[in-house]
Amino acid sequence: GEDVEQSLFLSVREGDSSVINCTYTDSSSTYLYWYKQEPGAGLQLLTYIFSNMDMKQDQRLTVLLNKKDKHLSLRIADTQTGDSAIYFCAETLSGGSYIPTFGRGTSLIVHP
Amino acid sequence: KAGVTQTPRYLIKTRGQQVTLSCSPISGHRSVSWYQQTPGQGLQFLFEYFSETQRNKGNFPGRFSGRQFSNSRSEMNVSTLELGDSALYLCASGNSGGNYGYTFGSGTRLTVV
Repeated sequence: GEDVEQSLFLSVREGDSSVINCTYTDSSSTYLYWYKQEPGAGLQLLTYIFSNMDMKQDQRLTVLLNKKDKHLSLRIADTQTGDSAIYFCAETLSGGSYIPTFGRGTSLIVHP
Repeated sequence: KAGVTQTPRYLIKTRGQQVTLSCSPISGHRSVSWYQQTPGQGLQFLFEYFSETQRNKGNFPGRFSGRQFSNSRSEMNVSTLELGDSALYLCASGNSGGNYGYTFGSGTRLTVV
């Protein structure tokens, strides 16, 4: 199947690190993505990782991929109030159409 | 460069009416996808167009249709609107393969009353 699962909510204190987790079921995933959606806006691509990578770092963002456990995580260092948004994990499958399948999204709430 | 532009931003329609939404992709992008976003179902894929041809289709009834023009602009149409069609409709544009991720527009918020 093509299920992508995420926890619905995460609350962190400003300045702490946030870790948003995602699990997927299809072992033929090719690319995995993290998108961010702020209120009233569309989805913004934050980063992506190819399935043969274990880790990718981009400024405050670190993506970890555990293919064995089919687990993807997004770590945001020094979380700010502006990071409050919904974060979506998505995957595309090898041999497929590159149409991403999205999780339900994790609502990140950053409080002072 | 300009982002993905969707018009209109908001629409209110009555049950039974039809509606057309428009999307202008990023210049040079030939793939345009449409998604329906609702609190209950999350993000659901409607269809994708590439070079004026529907390349992929989700599991939506035939009331939902789309097309793409030679300049890559796309429209989606929903006929015989139902209350359950109330949603945020998002358009995304991508390069030919789309494997480096898509760029989304801000969406059209459709309310059916």
